[in-house]
Amino acid sequence: ETGVTQSPTHLIKTRGQQVTLRCSSQSGHNTVSWYQQALGQGPQFIFQYYREEENGRGNFPPRFSGLQFPNYSSELNVNALELDDSALYLCASSLGASGVNTEAFFGQGTRLTVV
Amino acid sequence: DQQVKQNSPSLSVQEGRISILNCDYTNSMFDYFLWYKKYPAEGPTFLISISSIKDKNEDGRFTVFLNKSAKHLSLHIVPSQPGDSAVYFCAAATFSNYKLTFGKGTLLTVNP
Repeated sequence: ETGVTQSPTHLIKTRGQQVTLRCSSQSGHNTVSWYQQALGQGPQFIFQYYREEENGRGNFPPRFSGLQFPNYSSELNVNALELDDSALYLCASSLGASGVNTEAFFGQGTRLTVV
Repeated sequence: DQQVKQNSPSLSVQEGRISILNCDYTNSMFDYFLWYKKYPAEGPTFLISISSIKDKNEDGRFTVFLNKSAKHLSLHIVPSQPGDSAVYFCAAATFSNYKLTFGKGTLLTVNP
């Protein structure tokens, strides 16, 4: 077990709605990254937060936004949900945002279904 | 444009034999490579990593080989065990920006 927890584990939303996913990082880790894993694909980088600041963003539209809190937990918010947003959303925590031996430890994911 | 490719969607081996999972990358800026294992309904679990200054890294039954000139890495599992059955993801990053770029994964099945 990694110590990274995500909530909820499953979620069903209607197209056009908004959703908030939550992640508690592993103790001592100050960096949280979010990934989207569509069916049959590898995880795709959404963005990363390092010490409460966004520290890099993947190829996702602005309706994907996030926050990191002083305790280094994090939220992923998605507005105006589309059917293609249906995926497994993974949170990963690490100690540091760069360098060697900063392996990311993943939570179990939130399965989002948009109908 | 997929920068990390795992061309074998699946691999089946007998228990006790060697499993070899392959990964190719196109971005020469990558200098850190990782393998993750994923069981259904769980997040990916870190397995082993290698930096670009090395060509081999071992951890127990798992060995990763890196061929920088060919932009190719492989994961060897010896001996393979039924509990190794999972999806294996290859991922790459740069030291300056720890954004992981993943391949699509290879489903390994180890038959008893």
